[in-house]
Amino acid sequence: AQKVTQAQTEISVVEKEDVTLDCVYETRDTTYYLFWYKQPPSGELVFLIRRNSFDEQNEISGRYSWNFQKSTSSFNFTITASQVVDSAVYFCALVIQGAQKLVFGQGTRLTINP
Amino acid sequence: DGGITQSPKYLFRKEGQNVTLSCEQNLNHDAMYWYRQDPGQGLRLIYYSQIVNDFQKGDIAEGYSVSREKKESFPLTVTSAQKNPTAFYLCASSMARHLYGYTFGSGTRLTVV
Repeated sequence: AQKVTQAQTEISVVEKEDVTLDCVYETRDTTYYLFWYKQPPSGELVFLIRRNSFDEQNEISGRYSWNFQKSTSSFNFTITASQVVDSAVYFCALVIQGAQKLVFGQGTRLTINP
Repeated sequence: DGGITQSPKYLFRKEGQNVTLSCEQNLNHDAMYWYRQDPGQGLRLIYYSQIVNDFQKGDIAEGYSVSREKKESFPLTVTSAQKNPTAFYLCASSMARHLYGYTFGSGTRLTVV
């Protein structure tokens, strides 16, 4: 069975600080995909990134970066120079080839204080 | 623009009443999903459907019912058997193989009064 663990339930930082959200996953499959979604106060989940299991290259998109390490089964998300608009709940998710649905972590509530 | 539309955004229900939440997508996605989210909690899967006229129970299906008569539509009925229906409900859709993740609607906030 697959599992996604986001051990950090809540994180609170001051604006402009860097912050890392952890995601650890479990699967025995060799082909899988990992995702991060952002849920702002409005409620809709917004797709941030998709990564397949064969691509361990880190990705950077503006202030956002993702570190995928198969050796530790982790797919961590870092926000550099955080801003108040980054305040949201962030979900990590996993899907394996042939699965009928994604497996979501419990989410991390990130609060950026001015 | 393609997307998922959930309506209404806010819904109030009296105890003992059934209510139906609407979810429509124009993305030509095969699969659709309903999730429930309680305050400060994660997503819990209620029902999902891979194809028209077929659906499966998720983790918390009791007190809910769905139909999938059209590819574009996946309405959720919250029945009077659901003891604690007050929650935020999210609909999502995906292509058949799910490898590109889900597209989510904006949600319906249901309150029992």
